[in-house]
Amino acid sequence: AQKITQTQPGMFVQEKEAVTLDCTYDTSDPSYGLFWYKQPSSGEMIFLIYQGSYDQQNATEGRYSLNFQKARKSANLVISASQLGDSAMYFCAMREGNFGNEKLTFGTGTRLTIIP
Amino acid sequence: KAGVTQTPRYLIKTRGQQVTLSCSPISGHRSVSWYQQTPGQGLQFLFEYFSETQRNKGNFPGRFSGRQFSNSRSEMNVSTLELGDSALYLCASSNLAGGAKNIQYFGAGTRLSVL
Repeated sequence: AQKITQTQPGMFVQEKEAVTLDCTYDTSDPSYGLFWYKQPSSGEMIFLIYQGSYDQQNATEGRYSLNFQKARKSANLVISASQLGDSAMYFCAMREGNFGNEKLTFGTGTRLTIIP
Repeated sequence: KAGVTQTPRYLIKTRGQQVTLSCSPISGHRSVSWYQQTPGQGLQFLFEYFSETQRNKGNFPGRFSGRQFSNSRSEMNVSTLELGDSALYLCASSNLAGGAKNIQYFGAGTRLSVL
């Protein structure tokens, strides 16, 4: 069974608008971490934001915020005031457990295109 | 602080050959993980090394191997290359200081083409 699901293969958004990228996950481990990465055409994966399963508040990092709904097992990324430089692939990822496991499981990604 | 450095950036090999990719982690990071990215299979975990020991391994054949040196630099090797090994190989490092919040920082990748 797929552990990370990103249902939006591609999205087109007008510059300066907010955008929400969807991510649902599946795990039976009570301890897990959720990550969002951005991958420009250059190939490098850029870390954006992290949410832990025990975190009470939604994570925020500048223009990025994570809408974490634990009961629904969703961890959507919200980008406020989108910019042309936000055009890239975006991946949701999960790590299960705490110590000793660095394996990230990735979703299939969403290609975001910002329109001027 | 320098980021994760992967060399070479591009490689072209032929079927049956072997290849070695290199990864230098961020200074102070002792954990190095490798991932394969292909259009068909997406991003898949290959293995992770910490203190020169492989701690986790993904579901890849034995042709894929790796190692880590005492300075935390890592190499991965693919023997008897197949066309399906054409991919972007990404290396990531983390300092394991954050517990569950360990962030993996990625390099720019090595793009391998097998002809």
